[in-house]
Amino acid sequence: DARVTQTPRHKVTEMGQEVTMRCQPILGHNTVFWYRQTMMQGLELLAYFRNRAPLDDSGMPKDRFSAEMPDATLATLKIQPSEPRDSAVYFCASGSGTGDPYEQYFGPGTRLTVT
Amino acid sequence: EDQVTQSPEALRLQEGESSSLNCSYTVSGLRGLFWYRQDPGKGPEFLFTLYSAGEEKEKERLKATLTKKESFLHITAPKPEDSATYLCAVQARSSASKIIFGSGTRLSIRP
Repeated sequence: DARVTQTPRHKVTEMGQEVTMRCQPILGHNTVFWYRQTMMQGLELLAYFRNRAPLDDSGMPKDRFSAEMPDATLATLKIQPSEPRDSAVYFCASGSGTGDPYEQYFGPGTRLTVT
Repeated sequence: EDQVTQSPEALRLQEGESSSLNCSYTVSGLRGLFWYRQDPGKGPEFLFTLYSAGEEKEKERLKATLTKKESFLHITAPKPEDSATYLCAVQARSSASKIIFGSGTRLSIRP
């Protein structure tokens, strides 16, 4: 049963600390997305990659957020320094990149609380 | 600007009471419209993709339909386990892989 996995599932940290979230996309999927979900804003696209190359990161605050794909099986989202307004659930999703259009499959999310 | 609007925000139904959720969209050339289900504490779960006006897809008690301006998710004789937030999303022809989500409809089915 192929699934997107994310770690950690929960993270509580103090303002100013660095936070790293990890995602393992479904094997064979070449497109990876990072979303943030809050009650107020709903699901917001932060960044996405195709074949490990960033295609669009216009949804991310550039001064504190960064996203990378060190290899095809790992995507990371870092926040440095973290702020209370970053508290949200962060989802990773992957897609096959084939077909027109194609579906995205979501991981279980990382619930981040910044105090 | 591409946009997705879902209504109502919340819907409470009695078990067995059929209804429909609405997703209105404006997009510069629709590549696809997606429906997802999200349970509390979980990631969205893919349900359907619709490609063109007139298309319909069904899964158990759910049926999704598409026109040039909106999509409906019809729920027939719902059960309490159908309670969830239902999200609609669109992908434009011009947007490569990017999809835009609506804010969702919270559906609650009372036994």
